[in-house]
Amino acid sequence: GEDVEQSLFLSVREGDSSVINCTYTDSSSTYLYWYKQEPGAGLQLLTYIFSNMDMKQDQRLTVLLNKKDKHLSLRIADTQTGDSAIYFCAEGKDFGNEKLTFGTGTRLTIIP
Amino acid sequence: DAGVTQSPTHLIKTRGQQVTLRCSPKSGHDTVSWYQQALGQGPQFIFQYYEEEERQRGNFPDRFSGHQFPNYSSELNVNALLLGDSALYLCASCRGGNTEAFFGQGTRLTVV
Repeated sequence: GEDVEQSLFLSVREGDSSVINCTYTDSSSTYLYWYKQEPGAGLQLLTYIFSNMDMKQDQRLTVLLNKKDKHLSLRIADTQTGDSAIYFCAEGKDFGNEKLTFGTGTRLTIIP
Repeated sequence: DAGVTQSPTHLIKTRGQQVTLRCSPKSGHDTVSWYQQALGQGPQFIFQYYEEEERQRGNFPDRFSGHQFPNYSSELNVNALLLGDSALYLCASCRGGNTEAFFGQGTRLTVV
């Protein structure tokens, strides 16, 4: 079946890099996503990676995918207070028209 | 563009009652998905509507039903409410085929 796991909490000092990790079980996953949820808000798509890629960089965000170990990570460089949020890893098989399976989310807290 | 809009924002219902939640997709989008996000959990896929028909369904009982209208807006209906139905209900829309899914801010349902 499909299962996505994340650690629940991460605290990082302002200006440092944050690394949020995720593991998934469905080897047929085609797309892997990172979403951000701020208090009282819906989900915002930050970035995604296609399963045949190892890495994707988008400004301060770097996504690494180890398909063999089914491990996904999101690195946020130069973490700022505005990055405080819950980050969800999700997997899917068909970009856009699909059922997404989400992890439980990692709450990122920035220490001044 | 107003993005994905959901109504109402908050709702309190009594156990055993029925509830209807509404979603207007982003302009140009024709596919609507519904998710349930319990407190401290990641969103779970309920179902997806396209061309006024349910296209995919997650592991939710028949008490959860939906509808999509010709203007692509959608409703989620839950009958015989249980305390465990208390959650944030999120709607996401996309344009059929290879487009990003945009999420609304959700409806917070509390069952007492």
